[in-house]
Amino acid sequence: DAKTTQPPSMDCAEGRAANLPCNHSTISGNEYVYWYRQIHSQGPQYIIHGLKNNETNEMASLIITEDRKSSTLILPHATLRDTAVYYCITTNFGNEKLTFGTGTRLTIIP
Amino acid sequence: EAGVAQSPRYKIIEKRQSVAFWCNPISGHATLYWYQQILGQGPKLLIQFQNNGVVDDSQLPKDRFSAERLKGVDSTLKIQPAKLEDSAVYLCASSLVGQGWKLFFGSGTQLSVL
Repeated sequence: DAKTTQPPSMDCAEGRAANLPCNHSTISGNEYVYWYRQIHSQGPQYIIHGLKNNETNEMASLIITEDRKSSTLILPHATLRDTAVYYCITTNFGNEKLTFGTGTRLTIIP
Repeated sequence: EAGVAQSPRYKIIEKRQSVAFWCNPISGHATLYWYQQILGQGPKLLIQFQNNGVVDDSQLPKDRFSAERLKGVDSTLKIQPAKLEDSAVYLCASSLVGQGWKLFFGSGTQLSVL
């Protein structure tokens, strides 16, 4: 699995777009990028994943650079409930084990 | 759809005592994981089951930790004897076979060892 680097913390104003970066410069061609988040006192929750194309679902959008060395998770209209630790993980699709780093603590400011 | 159930929610014990945690995965999820999350860190995988067989227990401290999933559904994680450094949240997760990238986690058991 490629090593990922995320900022330890970020703030975002409520109602604005939250853009969470992740660097994975050593990612291999068959590794996917996965994002999870962990709200206080809960277990992590799957958000989205992608290989090389941008992806969007009801929770977020994932933008992966063309060289695949970095990605950005976008929460388009952040709410207070989006305050959480966000984890960026890379691994081969089909790998049954995920390795979590320390993530980015996102705080949404009212 | 019912989520992953874990109990107890909190547990406080003294060092050298034993403790057990229980997990009931989402119905139909053959793969079950136990993670340990120390304060300020991300979850760390302890053991992975598929049905009632162990797939990976390479990071389980086997001198004190044990886990079982006898009927391929519920699972129990035990620590005996506990050490101060075992204070953590113990998270159970489950997934469909072949979808280990999409884990469903319970809320965890917060263990404090005094």
